[in-house]
Amino acid sequence: LAKTTQPISMDSYEGQEVNITCSHNNIATNDYITWYQQFPSQGPRFIIQGYKTKVTNEVASLFIPADRKSSTLSLPRVSLSDTAVYYCLVYSGAGSYQLTFGKGTKLSVIP
Amino acid sequence: DARVTQTPRHKVTEMGQEVTMRCQPILGHNTVFWYRQTMMQGLELLAYFRNRAPLDDSGMPKDRFSAEMPDATLATLKIQPSEPRDSAVYFCASGSTRDRGVNSPLHFGNGTRLTVT
Repeated sequence: LAKTTQPISMDSYEGQEVNITCSHNNIATNDYITWYQQFPSQGPRFIIQGYKTKVTNEVASLFIPADRKSSTLSLPRVSLSDTAVYYCLVYSGAGSYQLTFGKGTKLSVIP
Repeated sequence: DARVTQTPRHKVTEMGQEVTMRCQPILGHNTVFWYRQTMMQGLELLAYFRNRAPLDDSGMPKDRFSAEMPDATLATLKIQPSEPRDSAVYFCASGSTRDRGVNSPLHFGNGTRLTVT
């Protein structure tokens, strides 16, 4: 399982774009990159997933460079409700899969 | 919106008592995971089932923990006897594996907060 490294914490003001970068230097050819969000007293919630280049949905964008050794989760115009812990994970796309969670990045949005 | 349901949401028990946590995965999902979350260790994988068969329970203390799936709609995690160090939030998650392409994202329940005194 590829190990991931991401900042422990980040602060941002409301309305700003937030970019959280994750390193996964030993990502395998078949691995996908996935991000989860966790609010206090709730289970993690899937945000976005990708394999290469760029993926965008209604919540976030995920940028993956050609070497795939890192990825950046971009949250446009954050609000106070985006305060949460964000986890970057790498896993094999098909067949059996296990998600190994690291410490995540605690994002605090300031008014 | 389909959800993973966990019961109970909170459980307070005394050391030595048996604790049973239940999980109803999303209908149609073929994989079920049990995770434990503490401040110190974060989210730890305890056990993993696919098509109701245990695939990996290496994260569980075998002497006191057991995980089962009596049927496709119910997964259980038991601790006997419980100890104060078992105090944590226990999450169940379900998903669908696929032979080709990418697996579905995991859907997590809201957890069982266990306190062992």
